[in-house]
Amino acid sequence: KQEVTQIPAALSVPEGENLVLNCSFTDSAIYNLQWFRQDPGKGLTSLLLIQSSQREQTSGRLNASLDKSSGRSTLYIAASQPGDSATYLCAVRRSGNYGQNFVFGPGTRLSVLP
Amino acid sequence: DAGVIQSPRHEVTEMGQEVTLRCKPISGHNSLFWYRQTMMRGLELLIYFNNNVPIDDSGMPEDRFSAKMPNASFSTLKIQPSEPRDSAVYFCASSFRAGPTTNEKLFFGSGTQLSVL
Repeated sequence: KQEVTQIPAALSVPEGENLVLNCSFTDSAIYNLQWFRQDPGKGLTSLLLIQSSQREQTSGRLNASLDKSSGRSTLYIAASQPGDSATYLCAVRRSGNYGQNFVFGPGTRLSVLP
Repeated sequence: DAGVIQSPRHEVTEMGQEVTLRCKPISGHNSLFWYRQTMMRGLELLIYFNNNVPIDDSGMPEDRFSAKMPNASFSTLKIQPSEPRDSAVYFCASSFRAGPTTNEKLFFGSGTQLSVL
């Protein structure tokens, strides 16, 4: 059974710092991996999707990497801003079959202090 | 598009009462998911529909939970009778799954905060 963990559970940094969020999964046979952002009282918003054949994806100040063999993904946030404060979740999908869906990690709660 | 729309946003009920949560997916999406989020267990998939047909309901915790999707634009999640341990945030999400190799993104609604007293 696929298990997804995220470290740290919470992180507090001053504005302007670069930071890395970690995601680990136990079964390396994944189809793709997504990073989501969740603001308090809101649903999840997809940030980046990495296919199993890719090693990284970039969107603005965000860069996500994937190392399938080690069962790890990282989300790098450059020049953090207070508006980046949210909970970040990663989710892995085991295969492309219709019946296979995402398994979510518990999330990392990020606070960027002005 | 208005995104995935869920109602109500908040629901407070007493133990034993029936609760119905509603979801309108994004137009054109063919897959719909119901998730439950709690501090203890995180985000859990309850049930997944594809083209209005339930594909995987292995996450539905008990027979007290049921879900329907009568058409492509509406789904309900019903809890009868409700219990305090059902208190959680319930999310609906939708996507367009084009085939076996789809790399689709999930779009989430804002959730329903359910409190069972």
